[in-house]
Amino acid sequence: DADVTQTPRNRITKTGKRIMLECSQTKGHDRMYWYRQDPGLGLRLIYYSFDVKDINKGEISDGYSVSRQAQAKFSLSLESAIPNQTALYFCATSDPTPENPFGELFFGEGSRLTVL
Amino acid sequence: KNEVEQSPQNLTAQEGEFITINCSYSVGISALHWLQQHPGGGIVSLFMLSSGKKKHGRLIATINIQEKHSSLHITASHPRDSAVYICAVSRTSGSRLTFGEGTQLTVNP
Repeated sequence: DADVTQTPRNRITKTGKRIMLECSQTKGHDRMYWYRQDPGLGLRLIYYSFDVKDINKGEISDGYSVSRQAQAKFSLSLESAIPNQTALYFCATSDPTPENPFGELFFGEGSRLTVL
Repeated sequence: KNEVEQSPQNLTAQEGEFITINCSYSVGISALHWLQQHPGGGIVSLFMLSSGKKKHGRLIATINIQEKHSSLHITASHPRDSAVYICAVSRTSGSRLTFGEGTQLTVNP
């Protein structure tokens, strides 16, 4: 089983619908991230969480919200989906060390969302 | 100008060739990451380095902190190496990564 699991892997929805993407991890890491990937734009940070009580906005948080239900679970919600939120979404974890404040990244398999 | 620049954007090679992908950055970093994204979409971390050189199988990553430059080399390339290779840097503050736009590598048999 993958260390970082995302559900659903693919979703097609309509404008205005509420969508939740879920992420769970077995790495035991405190830090979790949600990224969005668009062709030609690379990966962009939506939200990140350094522990269960810590939630932070990233570069492109407008139109999104998150919930950190437990150390292992971090979900991303689109309250009212719009077509320009069509993208590939990745959840990731990292484990900082004294030598590297960020730590190595571990990604989920990605969730492809299409908003019609 | 992007804080992380990769070159080339696209690279096509013949099986067996030696491949180099470059990454330049303009900010202070604690580490540089090389990631691989296969056509199916999944992303895996290849290397995380803050100095010198690391090697894993046919892949070698180097970094020159003074010049703010890193290279990813693939020796004896194979079609299964075809993927997007992404450079990312973690800033000295440690809270975020800044990503390059990626290099699409295609290795033909």
